[in-house]
Amino acid sequence: DTEVTQTPKHLVMGMTNKKSLKCEQHMGHRAMYWYKQKAKKPPELMFVYSYEKLSINESVPSRFSPECPNSSLLNLHLHALQPEDSALYLCASSRRQNSNTEAFFGQGTRLTVV
Amino acid sequence: GNSVTQMEGPVTLSEEAFLTINCTYTATGYPSLFWYVQYPGEGLQLLLKATKADDKGSNKGFEATYRKETTSFHLEKGSVQVSDSAVYFCALSEYSGGGADGLTFGKGTHLIIQP
Repeated sequence: DTEVTQTPKHLVMGMTNKKSLKCEQHMGHRAMYWYKQKAKKPPELMFVYSYEKLSINESVPSRFSPECPNSSLLNLHLHALQPEDSALYLCASSRRQNSNTEAFFGQGTRLTVV
Repeated sequence: GNSVTQMEGPVTLSEEAFLTINCTYTATGYPSLFWYVQYPGEGLQLLLKATKADDKGSNKGFEATYRKETTSFHLEKGSVQVSDSAVYFCALSEYSGGGADGLTFGKGTHLIIQP
């Protein structure tokens, strides 16, 4: 099973809303990632969790707040977003950080901020 | 730092044509190399990988060989189908001992196959 599951698939939110994106994997991977992808661009790394601890924050604005409740789950809490934050948000996992191994991606959440 | 360069396209081919998408990389050590494919409205799927020099990754008729001497990992397929229409990303992963982690992606190549 190489599946990473993301919910919801689509999300429309206002600039004053609070919402959360969820990601789950059952491959025993100990590294989990959030990426942001704009149209016709490659994914951009946002956060890395390694063994449930935040390892990398790529200077992401504080209106994005990640959380890793356990080794299988990764959340991204959203608050006071801007229209330019509209994008495809991808979750990924890999065996462990810094291991040169492949990452497996979820289907993404298509976020629209209105 | 690490980087990946690939032709951006769009690349338009007829069905059953031969496909090559070029990818070259810059890395300080010994990265692993990957091709990911993204179909419209979906996430990224791992297409194939190679972890050391001269390794050949293959899957679904696609192939790529890790060439350390030319720092390249070109994607090839002998006979493309309409269903291969997608965006293809070349990527590398290298542990740098403390730098940023995650994959380094090329800009992506949009492939369009016409019947």
